[in-house]
Amino acid sequence: AQSVTQLDSQVPVFEEAPVELRCNYSSSVSVYLFWYVQYPNQGLQLLLKYLSGSTLVKGINGFEAEFNKSQTSFHLRKPSVHISDTAEYFCAVIRGGFKTIFGAGTRLFVKA
Amino acid sequence: NAGVTQTPKFQVLKTGQSMTLQCAQDMNHEYMSWYRQDPGMGLRLIHYSVGAGITDQGEVPNGYNVSRSTTEDFPLRLLSAAPSQTSVYFCASRAAFDRTYEQYFGPGTRLTVT
Repeated sequence: AQSVTQLDSQVPVFEEAPVELRCNYSSSVSVYLFWYVQYPNQGLQLLLKYLSGSTLVKGINGFEAEFNKSQTSFHLRKPSVHISDTAEYFCAVIRGGFKTIFGAGTRLFVKA
Repeated sequence: NAGVTQTPKFQVLKTGQSMTLQCAQDMNHEYMSWYRQDPGMGLRLIHYSVGAGITDQGEVPNGYNVSRSTTEDFPLRLLSAAPSQTSVYFCASRAAFDRTYEQYFGPGTRLTVT
């Protein structure tokens, strides 16, 4: 069975600092990995995804993530965060071609 | 193109009451899903559908019913509300043959059961 572990429930960071949100997955088969963002009182929207090919994927709003098969990780990074990046971030994996399994989420707080 | 819409945005129920959460999409997506979001637990799949007339259970289906009579609509029914069903509910849709696998989410329904 596939599962997703987000290693940090909350990450406080100062504006313009770099940030990394950590995600590990467990799976014995090929995976499709995703990061979604949820701004306050809104639904989720896709930040980026890894399906195949280059292990470094770039998404919207300056975020990127690196798929590391040997470490079964898919960490999300941004070199310089803004106040507007304050949100909850979810790592997710597709199971069985359809079911999406989400991690518990990481709350990113960007402080001025 | 409204995307995925959900009604109502907020709802308060008493224990034992029933209600239906509405979800509609105008993108002609085959796949639709219902999730509940609880603090520290991420999103958990309640029920999903791969097309009109076809539904299946997700991780936490107990206490909920669904049906899919049209491609556009996928209502979620709470048969007898319990305080444990207090949560934020999200509907999502995806095209069956879209190899980006991107899901589109509605804005959510915040449900409180007292």
